Amino acid sequence: GENVEQHPSTLSVQEGDSAVIKCTYSDSASNYFPWYKQELGKGPQLIIDIRSNVGEKKDQRIAVTLNKTAKHFSLHITETQPEDSAVYFCAASGGAGFQKLVFGTGTRLLVSP
Amino acid sequence: GAVVSQHPSRVICKSGTSVKIECRSLDFQATTMFWYRQFPKQSLMLMATSNEGSKATYEQGVEKDKFLINHASLTLSTLTVTSAHPEDSSFYICSARDRPDGELFFGEGSRLTVL
Repeated sequence: GENVEQHPSTLSVQEGDSAVIKCTYSDSASNYFPWYKQELGKGPQLIIDIRSNVGEKKDQRIAVTLNKTAKHFSLHITETQPEDSAVYFCAASGGAGFQKLVFGTGTRLLVSP
Repeated sequence: GAVVSQHPSRVICKSGTSVKIECRSLDFQATTMFWYRQFPKQSLMLMATSNEGSKATYEQGVEKDKFLINHASLTLSTLTVTSAHPEDSSFYICSARDRPDGELFFGEGSRLTVL
């Protein structure tokens, strides 16, 4: 089955800096790659996603890149703000059936003022 | 976006009792819902896929007799933790799609504490 690895596990940046989180996946059939933000005690919230027919997607300060050949995808946050502090999870899914998501191990992002 | 609601958000129970957690899709119909479990500072682990009108599909290592899942309607799935023990204490999260290739919407989670 699918296996998703995520790095780094923790990331500390200064407000205004950029943050990059990277994930790799194992199943070449995966075709959907979402990123979620989870705040303490809450469920995950989708922040951006990308499908395998696209190499890059951007939404304001957030961008995701996908390299299908290397089977890795990355989340880029520019001009970070303290409210960006949270745990971020990547995930991958694909293939036939119910397309269940497999999550990465998470990255705790801390943005210091 | 679509809303998925979970209830209760927090529950404390005694060891040996059973606890039911509800997951509702408020403004869409979900033929498939997913149940995840999350331990502190860890990732979400899929427990089972809940299919409306049929039996749930459990992931390897998840005890189907302990974690009973019922998906009786297109807007409601329930997870019952039977004969709960302290090691069952965790954050349980459900999710649902409004269409097969659509975004997965998550509930706010239910924190179970077994004393």
